Amino acid sequence: AQSVTQLDSHVSVSEGTPVLLRCNYSSSYSPSLFWYVQHPNKGLQLLLKYTSAATLVKGINGFEAEFKKSETSFHLTKPSAHMSDAAEYFCVVSSWNSGTYKYIFGTGTRLKVLA
Amino acid sequence: DTEVTQTPKHLVMGMTNKKSLKCEQHMGHRAMYWYKQKAKKPPELMFVYSYEKLSINESVPSRFSPECPNSSLLNLHLHALQPEDSALYLCASSQVTSGSSYEQYFGPGTRLTVT
Repeated sequence: AQSVTQLDSHVSVSEGTPVLLRCNYSSSYSPSLFWYVQHPNKGLQLLLKYTSAATLVKGINGFEAEFKKSETSFHLTKPSAHMSDAAEYFCVVSSWNSGTYKYIFGTGTRLKVLA
Repeated sequence: DTEVTQTPKHLVMGMTNKKSLKCEQHMGHRAMYWYKQKAKKPPELMFVYSYEKLSINESVPSRFSPECPNSSLLNLHLHALQPEDSALYLCASSQVTSGSSYEQYFGPGTRLTVT
């Protein structure tokens, strides 16, 4: 069965410093992995996705993630945090079920950006 | 156009009321989803429609009744809800092809309060 574990429920960084949000996955086959961001009282916005092409995936707003099969990880990074990056981030693995794909969500990481 | 729209944005209803949530997309996606999200939690899948047919029901109580009248529209009919059903209800859509997992696009959600 597929699953994802987000290793930190809260991360605080200072504005202008790097961001690292950690995600480990478990999958019996080559996974499709996603990172989403959710600002308060908003829907989820796709940041980036990995679907077995390049292992380094670039997304929107300067975010990127590296798929490491040997470590079963898909960590999200950004070189320099902005105040607007403060939000909830979800790591997601996709699972085939009943003729369609289901999302399996991590528990989320709340990113706080300090001025 | 990568937009999923949801109406209404906010809904307050009594336990004896009947109301409906509406979701619409014009991206040609043939899979549509309903999620329920409680505060500080990841979204929980409720229903999946694939080619206008219900393909997944995650054991949701019958007071929630989904409907997919055509490939662009998804409704969620609500009746005799309980206060614990108060949550953010998110709709999403995606392409669907066997063997490939596509990203889901989320709407902004309907904030439901049951009094």
